[in-house]
Amino acid sequence: NAGVTQTPKFRILKIGQSMTLQCTQDMNHNYMYWYRQDPGMGLKLIYYSVGAGITDKGEVPNGYNVSRSTTEDFPLRLELAAPSQTSVYFCASSGLVGAAGEKLFFGSGTQLSVL
Amino acid sequence: DAKTTQPNSMESNEEEPVHLPCNHSTISGTDYIHWYRQLPSQGPEYVIHGLTSNVNNRMASLAIAEDRKSSTLILHRATLRDAAVYYCILRGTNAGKSTFGDGTTLTVKP
Repeated sequence: NAGVTQTPKFRILKIGQSMTLQCTQDMNHNYMYWYRQDPGMGLKLIYYSVGAGITDKGEVPNGYNVSRSTTEDFPLRLELAAPSQTSVYFCASSGLVGAAGEKLFFGSGTQLSVL
Repeated sequence: DAKTTQPNSMESNEEEPVHLPCNHSTISGTDYIHWYRQLPSQGPEYVIHGLTSNVNNRMASLAIAEDRKSSTLILHRATLRDAAVYYCILRGTNAGKSTFGDGTTLTVKP
């Protein structure tokens, strides 16, 4: 009963490096989301997907890219990492039936530092 | 997208009820009211949600105002483990664009 799994849990990047944060869910959920959370703040939506092959921007998409080739996976790509991207990243998923009434399931997060 | 307003912080004594308010004056008829909480160093977890009627589950109760412009999350007997940030969010027809505010930090005193 894994739910939403994120890897890695921690990562330190140098300025200008790139990396991919992995997210996979085993609940056959159509909706998947990426959020970032800066210290002491709430969650900000980066990108979301309503199904395989369909993605859309959230509140803070600049500096990130996503793809959704399968129902299970929703990787988040950081190109040219910057200190402003130091944050905790959470992936989430939710079901399709009655979408607004479906609850969100969150992963345990990836703590990223860009130095 | 409809937004919510919550107090920044609240305090409660252990084993007493806690009422966490949320205002959502621009809610639309199809928006569900969801509550999540985030324990320290963890991802958010679902607490409860509702559309029009009050809801109860093993974790909490959700009281929704008749005009739906506000709601209250009720923890019937707060424990130290309930100390967390509580988020009230609206999920509507564009369920993909589910945005969070800064939530209410609940402190529970022994």
